[in-house]
Amino acid sequence: QLQLQESGPGLVRPSETLSLTCTVSGGSISSTTYYWGWIRQPPGKGLEWIGSVYYSGTTFYNPSLKSRVTISVDTSKNQFSLKLSSVTAADTAVYYCAYGRSLPPHFDSWGQGTLVTVSS
Amino acid sequence: EIVMTQFPATLSVSPGERATLSCRASQSVVGNLAWYQQKPGQAPRLLIYDASTRATGIPARFSGSGSGTEFTLTISSLQSEDFAVYYCQQYNNWPTFGQGTKLEIK
Repeated sequence: QLQLQESGPGLVRPSETLSLTCTVSGGSISSTTYYWGWIRQPPGKGLEWIGSVYYSGTTFYNPSLKSRVTISVDTSKNQFSLKLSSVTAADTAVYYCAYGRSLPPHFDSWGQGTLVTVSS
Repeated sequence: EIVMTQFPATLSVSPGERATLSCRASQSVVGNLAWYQQKPGQAPRLLIYDASTRATGIPARFSGSGSGTEFTLTISSLQSEDFAVYYCQQYNNWPTFGQGTKLEIK
């Protein structure tokens, strides 16, 4: 079974860019079966889909975040990445990477998540 | 944006009893509805997709039903490990989640 692991800084300054990477193990990110995605959850709150990417690099973004989000895939490293620009305290959340087999996606399995705090 | 509303916000049920959780969509999502379970400090786990299909490894006591705008997750004979927060998610359009139902021990 595929396993996902998020990595990246736990603290980001306001107005800077949040960058996270998700490493996929147990299978290939180049599989035509899966879509790879990012979801976040502010402390004590609900879930928000950020966006998804296909192995080809085709991306799909939440319209409310689209202007600040870039998701990319690196097939040579079996990773996909998230960049969120111009962050504020409202972007403080646990960020999860996940995969699914449908489009639009539901999410078959998730990484453990990583807390990113936006603070000066 | 399709808004997903879950109710009740909190449900108190005794172990061994049945729990019924509801999810309503602001417009039809056909059958493109998933349910997740989340325990404290853990990532969500997929329980149900396509409104009624159990994900791999999910016990038969979990069942989903509904279509269009009204959906239900039923957990028959609650076990101690079932007390958690449950989210619904539509994927008929770009994904949106409900705000969650906390299932607590009565």
